[in-house]
Amino acid sequence: SAVISQKPSRDICQRGTSLTIQCQVDSQVTMMFWYRQQPGQSLTLIATANQGSEATYESGFVIDKFPISRPNLTFSTLTVSNMSPEDSSIYLCSVGVGMLGEQYFGPGTRLTVT
Amino acid sequence: GQQLNQSPQSMFIQEGEDVSMNCTSSSIFNTWLWYKQEPGEGPVLLIALYKAGELTSNGRLTAQFGITRKDSFLNISASIPSDVGIYFCAGLDQGGKLIFGQGTELSVKP
Repeated sequence: SAVISQKPSRDICQRGTSLTIQCQVDSQVTMMFWYRQQPGQSLTLIATANQGSEATYESGFVIDKFPISRPNLTFSTLTVSNMSPEDSSIYLCSVGVGMLGEQYFGPGTRLTVT
Repeated sequence: GQQLNQSPQSMFIQEGEDVSMNCTSSSIFNTWLWYKQEPGEGPVLLIALYKAGELTSNGRLTAQFGITRKDSFLNISASIPSDVGIYFCAGLDQGGKLIFGQGTELSVKP
């Protein structure tokens, strides 16, 4: 497994502003992912954070709205840009460990946009 | 897109009872994972299943990977109050992406 931390743990932001969420892992990992969990809902994959190249976004998510950085094998950031109340969610990073698809999740960042 | 149908959506049980929940899909998955999420926390991996027909236990939890590779179930025996939370199934698709079920919210009455 891996120990994953996220900052901030929660934030309340005003519409139109941007927030950058950090994800730190205690060991080098190849695969890092960002998910969104809307209130009372399941997890939806936003993108795969690729080290050294642009992130791979899922349908419905675009780089302009959710820019991602992955400068090394232990760290990634997700920015939620030009926020609206609809962006109020939990944002989770995860890492893929091993060859069989297991993913381990960080504690999440709880974002409220007013 | 791919979907996992997880049921039941919620369960209210008495402490000591056994619990069963399942996930089905129209697509084949290579790996099935079961997670538990408690309020204010990220999902925690409980059990991972890698082969069709595989039956795996983790303490009071038992999970099986369906023979058709399109379903999985999770059983919790002799439930206790700390079992409260939301349980998610997740399947690893052919493209290496995790697809999550809608979750089963478990409440345990002491």
